[in-house]
Amino acid sequence: NAGVMQNPRHLVRRRGQEARLRCSPMKGHSHVYWYRQLPEEGLKFMVYLQKENIIDESGMPKERFSAEFPKEGPSILRIQQVVRGDSAAYFCASSPPDGTGYTFGSGTRLTVV
Amino acid sequence: ILNVEQSPQSLHVQEGDSTNFTCSFPSSNFYALHWYRWETAKSPEALFVMTLNGDEKKKGRISATLNTKEGYSYLYIKGSQPEDSATYLCAFHRNQKVTFGTGTKLQVIP
Repeated sequence: NAGVMQNPRHLVRRRGQEARLRCSPMKGHSHVYWYRQLPEEGLKFMVYLQKENIIDESGMPKERFSAEFPKEGPSILRIQQVVRGDSAAYFCASSPPDGTGYTFGSGTRLTVV
Repeated sequence: ILNVEQSPQSLHVQEGDSTNFTCSFPSSNFYALHWYRWETAKSPEALFVMTLNGDEKKKGRISATLNTKEGYSYLYIKGSQPEDSATYLCAFHRNQKVTFGTGTKLQVIP
């Protein structure tokens, strides 16, 4: 039973490019959460999704960031026109519908050069 | 905006000492409180999920208590070991949203 899979582990993008981060939840988990950890800060909630629905995106920056969790396939966090300030570790977690048993992925470390 | 506060921010203890730290959270509409252990460059590891006022959970030398009425949880480590060095995160779960504290960074000195 694989855990939460995030890829890539490391991603380097030049300023202005697009970054796509993928998260495959644990089997049986229908809820996905994305978090960002900026240097010297704790985890910050970004967005909560269920299949084909965004439930809460109150932590998402208003521009350039979007997330989806399609019926088939992984959840995608997309950052358009990346800037240096987007450099961070992005973690995904999944849970079953009752919200217990959060499991984190290993994270994607995005570096914008 | 939910305030989930952890104190202290960082802590240095000698090997063998016992220690504890605090997570404070809003006391209304409580659903669950999670504790995680997070080592640098790894993903957070779940320690406890606590749901009932008065809950006490234990895992080896680590234990936690929960007071939902006053909005706090304590994490205790008995006889700290160097391998306990990590950041300990609490996360407050309410209305289908989880808010993390910024963590307590523990360093155990051999």
